Amino acid sequence: EIVLTQSPATLSLSPGERATLSCRASHYISIYLAWYQQKPGQAPRLLIYDASNRATGIPARFSGSGSGTDFTLTISSLEPEDFAVYYCQQRSNWPLLTFGGGTKVEIK
Amino acid sequence: QLQLQESGPGLVKPSETLSLTCTVSGGSISSRSSYWGWIRQPPGKGLEWIGTIYYTGNTYYNPSLKRRVTISVDTSKNQFSVNLSSVTAADTAVYYCARWAAAAPDPLAFDIWGQGTMVTVSS
Repeated sequence: EIVLTQSPATLSLSPGERATLSCRASHYISIYLAWYQQKPGQAPRLLIYDASNRATGIPARFSGSGSGTDFTLTISSLEPEDFAVYYCQQRSNWPLLTFGGGTKVEIK
Repeated sequence: QLQLQESGPGLVKPSETLSLTCTVSGGSISSRSSYWGWIRQPPGKGLEWIGTIYYTGNTYYNPSLKRRVTISVDTSKNQFSVNLSSVTAADTAVYYCARWAAAAPDPLAFDIWGQGTMVTVSS
């Protein structure tokens, strides 16, 4: 099983600041990583797939990078609507899929 | 525009079977370009993949749930379903259905989600 470890668990930042979220895989997963955003009471929304590709309609302030076992989601300048929980998910072991534990981005 | 909607009982007794259905609208569940998945989220916790099905009936399950899970598809109704047997309080969660694109250029990820349905396991 491929385990995804996200850090930090919580990130306290102010609007306009840069957010850097990490996802580390227990095994090599190439670029096969996605990022999702989830707001309270809502379903997750796909942000990034295959490590660095933005999904349709996702603003350019969201970017993904990494390959192998270390991945990063960057939000260049936090907007009020970006405060949420973010999950990574791997598909390297398709059809067996796993999610990371999540990082909460909260207002400082 | 593809939409997914979960339906089913919100309360299930311990040891019984949880059964949910996802209705797909705005597109065909028999599309060769899509897989269909179930994901759950216990209150205050993270996401857990339950399993995935293709319209042909091919299924793939989370090993940790495999002994209790069955996912099926009804192409005539444009629906797919999940059954989880012998439930306990640990199965209390919001259950989501979602679409997984089968091939590029669509993103190979869960790109379309239902709104989710809360299921509580309690006597």
